[in-house]
Amino acid sequence: SYELTQPPSVSVSPGQTATITCSGHELGNKYVSWYQQRPGQSPLLVIYEDNKRPSGIPVRFSASNSGNTATLTISGTPAMDEADYYCQVWDSGSVIFGRGTTLTVL
Amino acid sequence: QVQLVQSGAEVKKPGASVKVSCKASGYTFTAYDINWVRQAPGQGLEWMGWMKPESGITDSAQKFQGRSSMTRDTSIFTAYLELSSLTSEDTAVYYCATEVGGPTSFHFWGQGTLVTVSS
Repeated sequence: SYELTQPPSVSVSPGQTATITCSGHELGNKYVSWYQQRPGQSPLLVIYEDNKRPSGIPVRFSASNSGNTATLTISGTPAMDEADYYCQVWDSGSVIFGRGTTLTVL
Repeated sequence: QVQLVQSGAEVKKPGASVKVSCKASGYTFTAYDINWVRQAPGQGLEWMGWMKPESGITDSAQKFQGRSSMTRDTSIFTAYLELSSLTSEDTAVYYCATEVGGPTSFHFWGQGTLVTVSS
């Protein structure tokens, strides 16, 4: 079955750029979505179709997808972006989530 | 605005079944698939399956086939997930989510329903 690999954790200093990767076989041929989940909250879609931001998502969130790796970038990361981030794709009629990356802002 | 409101927390004994509801508002209920995703304590997101509210057609992850049932009542814009033969490993927060806004992503999520399985 298809698998998505994310680093378990990423750290960033406030105001700096955070980068979270998601790897999978020929991932560039699929649409990747990214979700933010703060403790005790439902997931929030921050990126869909590789690089589109839903209404209301700040411009500091951007993303790309090519080859075997998709990347979520958060520019000028504020403390409020400390959360878990999950990548997601559809594969053979099933939804696949990455295991998630905990972003620490310190 | 699009909203998905789920039923309240449940406590069940091993071997029992649970039925979680998800009431939609703010969009045409029958036009977009409803998906179910669960999250065990301290763990990641796990997709369970989808349902097309217009037709009632469903498909579930292999892990849940035969043990889960996704249904709907279009008259009250509500989707249901029923999971049977519960074990402690089914203790999780269960979310419904919809693809309103794009077919490959979950743009809107319910608030989650905690199901605790304990003897």
